[in-house]
Amino acid sequence: SQQGEEDPQALSIQEGENATMNCSYKTSINNLQWYRQNSGRGLVHLILIRSNEREKHSGRLRVTLDTSKKSSSLLITASRAADTASYFCATVLATDSWGKLQFGAGTQVVVTP
Amino acid sequence: DADVTQTPRNRITKTGKRIMLECSQTKGHDRMYWYRQDPGLGLRLIYYSFDVKDINKGEISDGYSVSRQAQAKFSLSLESAIPNQTALYFCATSGRGQGVVGTDTQYFGPGTRLTVL
Repeated sequence: SQQGEEDPQALSIQEGENATMNCSYKTSINNLQWYRQNSGRGLVHLILIRSNEREKHSGRLRVTLDTSKKSSSLLITASRAADTASYFCATVLATDSWGKLQFGAGTQVVVTP
Repeated sequence: DADVTQTPRNRITKTGKRIMLECSQTKGHDRMYWYRQDPGLGLRLIYYSFDVKDINKGEISDGYSVSRQAQAKFSLSLESAIPNQTALYFCATSGRGQGVVGTDTQYFGPGTRLTVL
């Protein structure tokens, strides 16, 4: 079974609205990362949050991490049509000294003009 | 020029054929990875390599093999392709020293779409 699970599986919003997606995981982590994938293309790293951090910002992105609930959220503010993509969370387990990523199944976001 | 390149970008082959997918990187990273992605699923790790002399099996290595010909090159082979290996394959790289716990970002190639008939 997968370490990370995103919720919702799909999200449809209009330009200008905020998009929020969540990631839950099962095993203690060293860090959690969010990636974006445009249709059929490679993944692009968005943001990384360490297990001792609670919130990080990058432009219109805000990521939170609650290690007590084993969950993270990604907020995209003032969404644009170009934000249409799949978003994946990936975790590095606390027990993994090599830093391998374990991916969730992703949230597919559609932003309509 | 892209930092991580994959060839071919698309490949259609028949059951039983041997296929090689190639990955090259100009990022100078020591670590390289091969993943497959199936529709509606996240990425699953096939093999990974932390330097030229190091090869490790990932979550789903059966039916695959790899070769790390140089720090910059990591190839994936399907010795005898089968239809359920139809998927999108990604190569990725990251840079980190051995044994350092932490915080690596991975950089992905554009993917190879493989269809096995």
